[in-house]
Amino acid sequence: AQSVAQPEDQVNVAEGNPLTVKCTYSVSGNPYLFWYVQYPNRGLQFLLKYITGDNLVKGSYGFEAEFNKSQTSFHLKKPSALVSDSALYFCAVSSRSNDYKLSFGAGTTVTVRA
Amino acid sequence: DAGVIQSPRHEVTEMGQEVTLRCKPISGHDYLFWYRQTMMRGLELLIYFNNNVPIDDSGMPEDRFSAKMPNASFSTLKIQPSEPRDSAVYFCASSRDPITDTQYFGPGTRLTVL
Repeated sequence: AQSVAQPEDQVNVAEGNPLTVKCTYSVSGNPYLFWYVQYPNRGLQFLLKYITGDNLVKGSYGFEAEFNKSQTSFHLKKPSALVSDSALYFCAVSSRSNDYKLSFGAGTTVTVRA
Repeated sequence: DAGVIQSPRHEVTEMGQEVTLRCKPISGHDYLFWYRQTMMRGLELLIYFNNNVPIDDSGMPEDRFSAKMPNASFSTLKIQPSEPRDSAVYFCASSRDPITDTQYFGPGTRLTVL
């Protein structure tokens, strides 16, 4: 079985400050990790993914994430948050042992205040 | 490309009625996924297709739910009869490859069963 945990339901930061959204995972075998963002009344939009290679992954809109195998984590980061980054963020994992089906975390609501 | 297209965007129906949700995947994508999003259960994979063939329907909640993909450019998710607990947002997503490729999500259909 595979699973994703997003330990924080909500993250609040001031504009211009660093933003971190936490994600840990559990899989059998090698994980494939994804971050998606969802704006109100919209579908999920892809931000970035880790498949293999460099542990630091850079994605859309200035976001990045670091794959940490020993801590089974894939935290999403942005050095300087914008008000427009306020949205719902989902971490997801897939693996060969689960036929590459995506399992999503519960989501973290990010609010960036001006 | 127009992205994944879903219709209708909103559906309100009464308990016991048949509901049909529609999806047009991105051209060239061989994989199509149906997800359901609720506050209580988050994002759940219902079923996915490869080259129009259903591969895994283990997430379909019960026999009232059925999905078809008659050709590469069209899929339906049907609920018959509908119940209030089916109220949710239903997303369709498509991808070229379930391992390394990103899943691209449609805008979703918000279903309300009264």
